[in-house]
Amino acid sequence: KNEVEQSPQNLTAQEGEFITINCSYSVGISALHWLQQHPGGGIVSLFMLSSGKKKHGRLIATINIQEKHSSLHITASHPRDSAVYICAAPLGSSNYKLTFGKGTLLTVNP
Amino acid sequence: DGGITQSPKYLFRKEGQNVTLSCEQNLNHDAMYWYRQDPGQGLRLIYYSQIVNDFQKGDIAEGYSVSREKKESFPLTVTSAQKNPTAFYLCASRRTGDLYEQYFGPGTRLTVT
Repeated sequence: KNEVEQSPQNLTAQEGEFITINCSYSVGISALHWLQQHPGGGIVSLFMLSSGKKKHGRLIATINIQEKHSSLHITASHPRDSAVYICAAPLGSSNYKLTFGKGTLLTVNP
Repeated sequence: DGGITQSPKYLFRKEGQNVTLSCEQNLNHDAMYWYRQDPGQGLRLIYYSQIVNDFQKGDIAEGYSVSREKKESFPLTVTSAQKNPTAFYLCASRRTGDLYEQYFGPGTRLTVT
């Protein structure tokens, strides 16, 4: 079965801590997506990466194609980072269709 | 500004009624998608369309219908045949090609009682 698995499901941190969220997938892919969903429900695309590492501000995403694994890191976490973080990958034959992980609920306390 | 709009944000309907959710984009994207999100589950694909006048069923299409008469618009109808219609519905779009991100609308929360 094609799957995208995330861990942990829930994560609570203190402001300033380094955060890591993990994502593993079951088959080879062209690119992996990291998304952020705030309490209001809207989803924002953070990264799409096919190899190596990408950085945007305090967010870093890495992917290991051979191990079928990706991580999202947040440095110097802040309460405004509190959100659900979702990874997604095109596991089927079409790159148009994404399979989504269940998300990681991150809460950063001041 | 370019983006995706969904309306309304909250929608309430009685059981047995069909309801249509709106999705409009001005990003000039060819592909559009409808997803359903339930608590504790990942987003699930209902329907997608890669081009005007063409669409394909996703993983949970039963009880839903769509149309794609214009590039900018991809309305979703939740029919009375959908057994558990109460959910958060998200529309998305992307450019044609392998390595393009999906852009999401703000979502519509549908409650059917």
